[in-house]
Amino acid sequence: ETGVTQTPRHLVMGMTNKKSLKCEQHLGHNAMYWYKQSAKKPLELMFVYSLEERVENNSVPSRFSPECPNSSHLFLHLHTLQPEDSALYLCASSRLDGQGDGYTFGSGTRLTVV
Amino acid sequence: AQSVTQLGSHVSVSEGALVLLRCNYSSSVPPYLFWYVQYPNQGLQLLLKYTSAATLVKGINGFEAEFKKSETSFHLTKPSAHMSDAAEYFCAVSEGNSGYSTLTFGKGTMLLVSP
Repeated sequence: ETGVTQTPRHLVMGMTNKKSLKCEQHLGHNAMYWYKQSAKKPLELMFVYSLEERVENNSVPSRFSPECPNSSHLFLHLHTLQPEDSALYLCASSRLDGQGDGYTFGSGTRLTVV
Repeated sequence: AQSVTQLGSHVSVSEGALVLLRCNYSSSVPPYLFWYVQYPNQGLQLLLKYTSAATLVKGINGFEAEFKKSETSFHLTKPSAHMSDAAEYFCAVSEGNSGYSTLTFGKGTMLLVSP
């Protein structure tokens, strides 16, 4: 049990579909992150939420739309994806004043776009 | 700006042999440093972290790492490899930014353990 739960674990979607990834943590953290992990590429930071406010958006295409309704939940809404968007999407959380703590990661959602 | 370099995308060792995974960092401020491990189709699990309390840091599963400021290094070691250590290992550096921390990861090193 990692403390950060991601659902679904696996998702196959067509290029015209709309789907959402969900991340939930009950660690009392108030910063949450989305990372993309593609084969043979470094981990890419996509979005950062601090106290439910988006504070970083690293040039992510608009077909990815994050949402953070409260400090425990983070969503990534997907629409009109491309095959190159197939990857492992990782959610993480941390304390705002926990610079030395690192992140707690979820197990990820393996996304395949067909 | 912070960055992390992991030397070697793959490291192969025999079971029982010493494990050495290399990590060099650059940071404009005293850094926090981390090693994470990732098993197939799993998230990243924290192995150990350096937060300036001690330069030799012990982590889970028998791993340890030594912070060397003069070499800007934070190499990960384990005296005797087990088959279960086969996984991908990531080094990361953290700098604070307006209250939240941004982790910058290296490209990862895949550890292969043979019988």
